Amino acid sequence: QVQLVESGGGLVKPGGSLRLSCAASGYTFSDYYMSWVRQAPGKGLEWVSYISTSATIMYSADSVRGRFTISRDNAKNSLYLQMNSLRAEDTAVYYCARHPYYYDSSNYYKPLYYFDYWGQGTLVTVSS
Amino acid sequence: EIVLTQSPGTLSLSPGDRAALSCRASQSVSSNYLAWYQRKTGQPPRLLVYGASIRATGIPDRFSGSGSGTDFTLTISRLEPEDFAVYYCQQYGTSPVTFGQGTRLEIK
Repeated sequence: QVQLVESGGGLVKPGGSLRLSCAASGYTFSDYYMSWVRQAPGKGLEWVSYISTSATIMYSADSVRGRFTISRDNAKNSLYLQMNSLRAEDTAVYYCARHPYYYDSSNYYKPLYYFDYWGQGTLVTVSS
Repeated sequence: EIVLTQSPGTLSLSPGDRAALSCRASQSVSSNYLAWYQRKTGQPPRLLVYGASIRATGIPDRFSGSGSGTDFTLTISRLEPEDFAVYYCQQYGTSPVTFGQGTRLEIK
């Protein structure tokens, strides 16, 4: 069965850095786009960043662009999020999530930008 | 970006009741690319519906999605005790993908 397990969260001071990891199992990791999605306390869900299957395409939300970097290691079935210059408003539970895909009529790979599997999440707290 | 507004914020119903949750978009959702998720305390979101009306694998048929353009609805035909949770809609037709703020379905 598909499993996504995040790790690396914790307490960090404003301006600090943290690296989150997500270990995937139960499917062919390299076949899927992946994302990080977060939920701040008392707030809704916010997409953070996605990465393509071969890590050639990466895109991030305006709120984190230039500070957060998504990456993956298909040999290790792992997804990462390097978070720098952290702010109090980055405090949230961070989830890794998988994007489904299909092949179009020309047999091109087409990712879909909803999420069919999510991890349990890891809490990041930014506070002095 | 597309803003999704869910209503009501909280819905109080009893097991066996029918629930209708609304998700309204600030502009038309491309290709009706709208998904619904269920979120229980301490658990990650669970995909219920995608493409506005397609049930995800393993989702009971009491859950149904409908709508198009800017107005979408998730209907739960007969509430079971395990259905009381928070529900989120998400549009994925226009970048960046965005979520609604959620509807809390609570036991009356």
